[in-house]
This record gives sequence, C-alpha cells and structure tokens, in this order.
Amino acid sequence: EVQLVESGGGLVQPGGSLRLSCAASGFTFSSYWMHWVRQTPEEGLVWVSRTNNDGTTTTYADSVKGRFTISRDNAKNTLFLQMSSLRAEDTGVYYCARDVAHIDCWGRGTLVTVSS
Amino acid sequence: SYELTQPPSVSVSPGQTAKITCSGDALPKKYAYWYQQKSGQAPVLVIFEGSKRPSGIPERFSGSSSGALATLTISGAQMEDEGDYYCYTTDNSGNPLFGTGTKVTVL
Repeated sequence: EVQLVESGGGLVQPGGSLRLSCAASGFTFSSYWMHWVRQTPEEGLVWVSRTNNDGTTTTYADSVKGRFTISRDNAKNTLFLQMSSLRAEDTGVYYCARDVAHIDCWGRGTLVTVSS
Repeated sequence: SYELTQPPSVSVSPGQTAKITCSGDALPKKYAYWYQQKSGQAPVLVIFEGSKRPSGIPERFSGSSSGALATLTISGAQMEDEGDYYCYTTDNSGNPLFGTGTKVTVL
C-alpha cells in the first residue's frame, strides 16, 4: 500500500524556519517525482514545489522562491521541505504528493502556523 | 497566468445528478483531473486524463471536457459523495494548477 506520512509542522514566528519531512513507503520512491502542496480555507489547494526523481531538478511557486528548498533522500525514502523567512501567508496544511505524470496520491498533511 | 475556476458550491438530492464545472484557458491543451476531499482527509483522485476512473472509484463518477470547460458528473449522487472537489491541470511550464474548489452537498 502506498503511504506518505508528513511531519515537522508546528507553530513558528514570522521570519522563522521549519523543516517538513515526508516518509514514503509502499512504492519505489526513487522512481517518482514528488510535490509539496499547501491548503488553506481561503485559497484551497496551492502548489508549492516539486522535485524530479533524483533531486537534481527542482521548481517552486513564485510565492516561495528563494525562501523554500525542496530536497529528498532516496536512500531513506524521504522528501523534505526546508522553509525559511516564514510569513503569515505560508500558514496552512502542507501535503506531500506523488507524481505519475499527474498527482495520484497524497499524504494526510502537516499543519504549519506562522504567527507571533 | 492560468487559472481554473469552479463554482463555490453545488447541491444535489440523493439519487440525482450533480455536475461540477471547471473552466480555464489551459484546458483546451491539457487533460483535466479531479480530486475529492472529504472533511479532514487528504484529496483522492477520482478522474484522470479527462475521463478515466482510477481503480476503486465508483462508476457514477465520470469526466468530460469541451474546449476550455471540463465537467465532473456524479450520476446518482450518494450521501458519501459529499465533500470538496478540485479540478487540476498543469500550466505551460508543467507546474500543477488547482481549481478554486467546489463544495458538494447531498441533501
């Protein structure tokens, strides 16, 4: 069974940093591109970042470019999102998601709250 | 920039048909995909490549498209179909693009 389990969310002050992790199991993690997607009640689902299967190609939404870094450890079947210079508008539930030419499955998400 | 626009809400009586639309300039050139999200849960893919159903998705879910409009149809809606539905495609750079979301109420 394909499983994606996010962790690392929490409450952080504006300007702070946080590192999210996504543990993958049930499939050959190193064969798949992966994404991070944020969800808020106001915006709905918003794509944040993606990486190719070996981590050599990464892409970011304009709103997080220069502040967030996506990476992966294929030996540990884990996807990461390093978030810095956090803003209130970065608040939301962050999902990791697998790509099979489209997003086909999602984790349960981890909540990030940016507030003083 | 591309956007995908959906109606905020759709109501349907049990056993009737619900249609959820998704409009956007990217759609004539790209497939539409549809996700169902129930309260407190992760999204689930219900339609891919415009009209195909993943394994395990009931036949009452179907997808179609015409030009810049994609439609998700729930034929014979059931109470368990309540939730939020999002369309999805990719922009010219191949980056994911999500619709604004539609809340489906079965009552």
